[in-house]
Amino acid sequence: AQSVAQPEDQVNVAEGNPLTVKCTYSVSGNPYLFWYVQYPNRGLQFLLKYITGDNLVKGSYGFEAEFNKSQTSFHLKKPSALVSDSALYFCAVRDMRLTGGGNKLTFGTGTQLKVEL
Amino acid sequence: EAGVVQSPRYKIIEKKQPVAFWCNPISGHNTLYWYLQNLGQGPELLIRYENEEAVDDSQLPKDRFSAERLKGVDSTLKIQPAELGDSAVYLCASSPQVGREQYFGPGTRLTVT
Repeated sequence: AQSVAQPEDQVNVAEGNPLTVKCTYSVSGNPYLFWYVQYPNRGLQFLLKYITGDNLVKGSYGFEAEFNKSQTSFHLKKPSALVSDSALYFCAVRDMRLTGGGNKLTFGTGTQLKVEL
Repeated sequence: EAGVVQSPRYKIIEKKQPVAFWCNPISGHNTLYWYLQNLGQGPELLIRYENEEAVDDSQLPKDRFSAERLKGVDSTLKIQPAELGDSAVYLCASSPQVGREQYFGPGTRLTVT
């Protein structure tokens, strides 16, 4: 079975400082990995994805994520945080091998990012 | 390009009553998903459609939940009868094809009293 772990319920960062939101995954095959952001009373918005290729993936709003196969991690990063980045962030994984009913996206429990002045 | 549209945004019903949620995916997206999101949790897949075919409904509680996507475009998710534990946000998402990134609607927040 595939799974995702987001070990931090909340991350607090000062504006202008770098931020990291952690994610580790478990799949039997090779992973597709995604980050989504959710603002209050809104649906999830796609930020970035890793399918194959370069381990450093760049996405929307200046976010990037680094795929580390040996550590089975896909941490979300941003060099300089903004107050407007405050939101709930979800990591998700899909096993490339699985088809049909097994071809589903599994989400983590989310990490609340709070960026303060 | 219009995003995924869901209605209603909020619904309050008494237990044992029926309720229905509607979703219109992004134009041209063949794959449609219904998710359940409880407070403080990530979304959990209820059902996935490829065009009009439900290809994964293993997580759908079929005794009370049903869904349809008759013409392979918009979809309806129904609960009958609703229970207190069904209070949650119901999210609809679509993607051009399975495996691609999913685009989510704003969700329907259901409160069962």
